[in-house]
Amino acid sequence: GDSVTQMEGPVTLSEEAFLTINCTYTATGYPSLFWYVQYPGEGLQLLLKATKADDKGSNKGFEATYRKETTSFHLEKGSVQVSDSAVYFCALSDRGNTGKLIFGQGTTLQVKP
Amino acid sequence: GAVVSQHPSWVICKSGTSVKIECRSLDFQATTMFWYRQFPKQSLMLMATSNEGSKATYEQGVEKDKFLINHASLTLSTLTVTSAHPEDSSFYICSAQPSGRTYEQYFGPGTRLTVT
Repeated sequence: GDSVTQMEGPVTLSEEAFLTINCTYTATGYPSLFWYVQYPGEGLQLLLKATKADDKGSNKGFEATYRKETTSFHLEKGSVQVSDSAVYFCALSDRGNTGKLIFGQGTTLQVKP
Repeated sequence: GAVVSQHPSWVICKSGTSVKIECRSLDFQATTMFWYRQFPKQSLMLMATSNEGSKATYEQGVEKDKFLINHASLTLSTLTVTSAHPEDSSFYICSAQPSGRTYEQYFGPGTRLTVT
C-alpha cells in the first residue's frame, strides 16, 4: 500500500541555519503531497502542498518540490527561526477522491537561539 | 476561519467504561470528518472516515464495535471508545473536510485519553 517515510528526528539547529527534512513516498498513481506542522499544544496545520510532478509548494519561507523521478518531497527552509520549532509531518493523499491522508512518522525540529 | 475543536482535550477514565469525544467544525460545514490515533513519537494512523448521515468507513484492523462513530450533523462527529482498556490510551485527533473540497482538511487539537 501507499506509504510515506521521513527522516528520523529530532533535528536540532541553530537559528538562521538551513533546514532540510527528507520525505520519500511509495504510491500507485500520482498522489498529492503535503507538509503539515504541529506546534506544541496545537492541531496540525497545513504548511504547503503540491498536486503534481515538478510543482513547488511554498509558505512562510518553507519550500518543497514534488519529484516524481525520486518519489520525494523534501522540505527546505533557508534560515530557520526559534518559532519554527515544531513537529513536521509529510503526507500524501490518494487519488481515489476520498481525501484520506497517509502520514509519515513526523520529524521534530528544535531551533536554538 | 476553518477552525476545528475537540472536546474534551483530555480525559481519564476507568477500565471498562465508555468515553465520548466530540469533533466540531466551528465555521464551516463538513460532510466528511476523519478520526486518527497518534501514539507517542509516532505518526497519525487513520482509524475511520466519518460521513454525515451515513455509516463510518473503518480502516483495516480497527474494531468498529469498539470505536463507535456518529456524524449526525454537518458540524459534529463523535467518537465513542466503548469498554475502554489501558491499551486504548492514546491521543485521538479528528479532522474535518469542508464540503465539496476533497483535498482540504482542518485538524482539531486532539484529545488525550488515559485509561486506568
